[in-house]
Amino acid sequence: EADIYQTPRYLVIGTGKKITLECSQTMGHDKMYWYQQDPGMELHLIHYSYGVNSTEKGDLSSESTVSRIRTEHFPLTLESARPSHTSQYLCASSGTGGLNEQFFGPGTRLTVL
Amino acid sequence: AQRVTQPEKLLSVFKGAPVELKCNYSYSGSPELFWYVQYSRQRLQLLLRHISRESIKGFTADLNKGETSFHLKKPFAQEEDSAMYYCAPRLSYNTDKLIFGTGTRLQVFP
Repeated sequence: EADIYQTPRYLVIGTGKKITLECSQTMGHDKMYWYQQDPGMELHLIHYSYGVNSTEKGDLSSESTVSRIRTEHFPLTLESARPSHTSQYLCASSGTGGLNEQFFGPGTRLTVL
Repeated sequence: AQRVTQPEKLLSVFKGAPVELKCNYSYSGSPELFWYVQYSRQRLQLLLRHISRESIKGFTADLNKGETSFHLKKPFAQEEDSAMYYCAPRLSYNTDKLIFGTGTRLQVFP
C-alpha cells in the first residue's frame, strides 16, 4: 500500500547522542520534505529534496542534515542532539508535475534530555 | 518576508453554527493556497486547494487577492469537523514548498 513511514514514532535520548530519523515512502514521489513543529507553533520546512542526490535547506535553519541516496528514502540526522532539538519532525512527499499536494507521515516526536 | 497569519488559535462553536477560519498572507505575487487539516490522532492531510474551487466536507475557501485572504468557511459545523486547520500558501509555481500558518483549533460542541 502506498504510504509514508516514519520511525521511530517517539524517541527520548540524552544530550550529545547521534540520532537518525527515518522516512520512507512507497508513493513513487520524487519530492520529499522535512518539517519541524514545536507545540502550538507552525510547521517550518527544514530540508527538502527534489530527487536522488538533491537536497536543499529549508526556510528554518537547522543543525540537522539529510541525504537522498534512494528515491524512497530521506533520513534526517542529528550528529549531537541537544535539548533545543526537542520537537516534532514531520516527513512529507509530493509527486511531479501539476499542483501536487504533500502527503505527510505520522511524525517523530523527539525529546532530548 | 512572506508570512501566513491565522489570527485565532482556538475557535469554538456549537453544532450547526457557521464557521469561518481566517487566513491572511503577505506576498506580492499570486500564490497557490491550500488548507490542511489534522484530526485527532491522524496525520496532516490536504482538505482543499483554492484552484480547484471545490467544496470538501462542506468547506469552501475563496481567495481574495485584494485582502490577501483565504478564509475557510462552512455554513453548518459538525462535531466531526473538530480538528486543527492549517492555511498553507505555495508561493511559486516553480516549487512545491509550502509555508504553514500556526493553525487554528476548531472545536464543535454538540
